[in-house]
This record gives sequence, C-alpha cells and structure tokens, in this order.
Amino acid sequence: EVQLVESGGDLIQPGGSLRLSCVASGFSVTSNYMNWVRQAPGKGLQWVSIIYSDGSTYYADSVKGRFTIYRDNSKNTLFLQMNSLRVEDTAVYYCARLLGGLDYWGQGTLVTVSS
Amino acid sequence: EVVLTQSPGTLSLSPGERATLSCRASQIISVSYLAWYQQKPGQAPRLLIYGASSRATGIPDRFSGSGSGTDFTLTISSLEPEDFAVYFCQQYGTSPGTFGPGTQVDIK
Repeated sequence: EVQLVESGGDLIQPGGSLRLSCVASGFSVTSNYMNWVRQAPGKGLQWVSIIYSDGSTYYADSVKGRFTIYRDNSKNTLFLQMNSLRVEDTAVYYCARLLGGLDYWGQGTLVTVSS
Repeated sequence: EVVLTQSPGTLSLSPGERATLSCRASQIISVSYLAWYQQKPGQAPRLLIYGASSRATGIPDRFSGSGSGTDFTLTISSLEPEDFAVYFCQQYGTSPGTFGPGTQVDIK
C-alpha cells in the first residue's frame, strides 16, 4: 500500500530553521518525482519544491535560497530543510508524489512561524 | 510562471444537479499536464483527474474533465452529498507547477 507520512512541523520563531520529513512506503522516492506543497490557513495550495528522479530540483521563487529539498534513499524518505523562516511560511506542508498528477499525498504537517 | 484562474469562486447547487467548473491558464498547457483535485476540510487534496480528462484510480464516473490549450473544465454530472468541497486545478508541465485558487461547491 502506498503511504506518505510527514513529520517535523512545529512552532518556530521568525529566522529559525526546521526540517520536515516524509516517510514513503509502497514505492521508491528515488524513482519518482517528489513534491512539497503547502497551504496557509484558510488559503489555497502552493507548490513549494520538486525533486526529480535524476536528482534535479526546483523551487518556488518565494522559498528559493532558503529551502532545500532532498531525499535519503536508504530510509526512503523525503526532506525539506527550511531556513530563515518567515511569518508568511506558516502553513500545512504536504509531501506528494507526482505521477500523472499528484496522486498520493501525506496527511500534512503544520509549520507555524511566529514570535 | 503559468497563472491559473478558476471560476466561479463559489458554486451553490443542490444534490443531483450538474456542476461545471472552469480553469483558465495564462498560457497554453499541454493536456498531459492538467489535473483537478478535491479537498474537504481538514483533509489533504485528492486527485480526481489527470491529463485533463483521465480519471484517477477509484474516482466515480460522474466526474469528468475536458478542455485543451488554455481552457479546461471539470464536470460533476450529478452532485452527491459527499461532493460538496473545494476543487483546485493544477498544471504540472512547467516548473513551478501552479494551482488555481479553487472553486467552492456549496450546498444550496
């Protein structure tokens, strides 16, 4: 069974750092296009970052230079390292697999950036 | 960046009625890379349609997608009580993948 489970969300002060994890089961993160998508409270969906099977990565302009997406093949886990966090980064963060659309999503993890 | 616009913002309908949701792109999108999602409160989005018109696994046939170029449509042929939710379109052919702002389908 395909499953994605995120963790790592927390309340953090502006300027702080946080690392989100997404453990995958039922498929290989290395062989797929893996994404982070976020949703601010009461708002729509915003694509954050993608890592392709060849290891190439792309980021939304709003997080470029601050966030890093990477994966650990041995743990079949996707990560999002978030530095220099801002109030506007407050959101539920989802990991999702891109295979003909974002076909599997995790349950989300809440990141709150506030002083 | 490809900007997606959805209309209407809110659609108020009764169970059994037909829902037609629109998604317009700021530039031509390959049909292979247009998807629709349903989201209910407190839940992750669920993939309904990919490639503009292909239903995802387990999606009932009352959901259908169509369109090409810059104009795409999601149709729900006869609304069931569980269909009242927010619907998002997304293009994933060009990075960054972008989402539309969503259409809320409410019970009238």
